[in-house]
Amino acid sequence: GAGVSQSPRYKVAKRGQDVALRCDPISGHVSLFWYQQALGQGPEFLTYFQNEAQLDKSGLPSDRFFAERPEGSVSTLKIQRTQQEDSAVYLCASSLVYRVAEAFFGQGTRLTVV
Amino acid sequence: KQEVTQIPAALSVPEGENLVLNCSFTDSAIYNLQWFRQDPGKGLTSLLLIQSSQREQTSGRLNASLDKSSGRSTLYIAASQPGDSATYLCAVWPGVTGNQFYFGTGTSLTVIP
Repeated sequence: GAGVSQSPRYKVAKRGQDVALRCDPISGHVSLFWYQQALGQGPEFLTYFQNEAQLDKSGLPSDRFFAERPEGSVSTLKIQRTQQEDSAVYLCASSLVYRVAEAFFGQGTRLTVV
Repeated sequence: KQEVTQIPAALSVPEGENLVLNCSFTDSAIYNLQWFRQDPGKGLTSLLLIQSSQREQTSGRLNASLDKSSGRSTLYIAASQPGDSATYLCAVWPGVTGNQFYFGTGTSLTVIP
């Protein structure tokens, strides 16, 4: 596609519910990132994929968070047993190559846990 | 850990004014720096990418400069327009190791017609 696509755009989850957020990166982009952005803050790193390999998951806040990119294209961020503190905008970004290239972000998924 | 600071946090200017947004980072060993724009409720739009070997990049009314040794970058916006109203974020990619951009908290710009 022309840009990074994320779905759903908005998600309301009851506390304790599991959610899955999808990211379609730009075709051919090797690197894929997930970020979490709280209201009024800059994005915070969650995890990084190079093709299908998850090379860095140091930013995942707990073991309730899990990300995958099984075929090196579409990625899913899953949050189990959601808590109110998980409410945030989840941003996905992709870039053509590791490190040197411009990163392009999707529109984000706004998750509200009630 | 790399710390990125953006000053001011908010800025309000009349239409037509030239303005400068500032970004500073604590570790000068960066690989590149990228400026983004974020509209309310939206994702990030890439504005300019500056590689560590470059001093500046220009796109239309935007000019971004990079001074690695002093840990600073500036985004200059010429002849501001109401459509420029948004939050501007800078992000740095660390030089040696690391798999992430480090973001500042942004500058919220309002251009008054």
